[in-house]
Amino acid sequence: DAGVTQSPTHLIKTRGQHVTLRCSPISGHKSVSWYQQVLGQGPQFIFQYYEKEERGRGNFPDRFSARQFPNYSSELNVNALLLGDSALYLCASSPIGTGVGYTFGSGTRLTVV
Amino acid sequence: GQQLNQSPQSMFIQEGEDVSMNCTSSSIFNTWLWYKQDPGEGPVLLIALYKAGELTSNGRLTAQFGITRKDSFLNISASIPSDVGIYFCAGPLYNAGNNRKLIWGLGTSLAVNP
Repeated sequence: DAGVTQSPTHLIKTRGQHVTLRCSPISGHKSVSWYQQVLGQGPQFIFQYYEKEERGRGNFPDRFSARQFPNYSSELNVNALLLGDSALYLCASSPIGTGVGYTFGSGTRLTVV
Repeated sequence: GQQLNQSPQSMFIQEGEDVSMNCTSSSIFNTWLWYKQDPGEGPVLLIALYKAGELTSNGRLTAQFGITRKDSFLNISASIPSDVGIYFCAGPLYNAGNNRKLIWGLGTSLAVNP
């Protein structure tokens, strides 16, 4: 079975641009969470979606948004990119919105120049 | 953002040695998680602890949930080169809708000299 897949794996953007990151959860998983991991730190929670509804939001500016589609895949959008947005963006999926059964993807490495 | 206090920050050991790392929090957690992250990959769950005082093993890995519910440790016995990576502790915080986010430590970077 395929794990959590994220695309693209790497990308480079210029300050002020917009970026869309994509995540496909494990088949049957209905919850997707997004985390930002800056180099040398642990992941920081951005969003959780369950059954296409936002169920949790971390301390990130409104430039960050996300959505979940009927097939449970998800997009993370970041507008007006800043240099500080450079990070590894991780997507995790689980069967339900609670519990500890999260599986992480390999992430998207975003570099803002 | 919120984070757990994890130590040591890094370790460099000889193959075959045992390793110990720990994680503390000012808040009580009902679950403690230990993950390993390899370069270019996402974190992989190693051990989940659900009960204060619980001691759980996964092969050469052993983790304990502290009695106060504010700390946990992870031991790796007889380290091998593939143990190299960054080890994170994490704990879930629940919101009003009973949905959770994970709070993470800064990680312990482990290097093993063959």
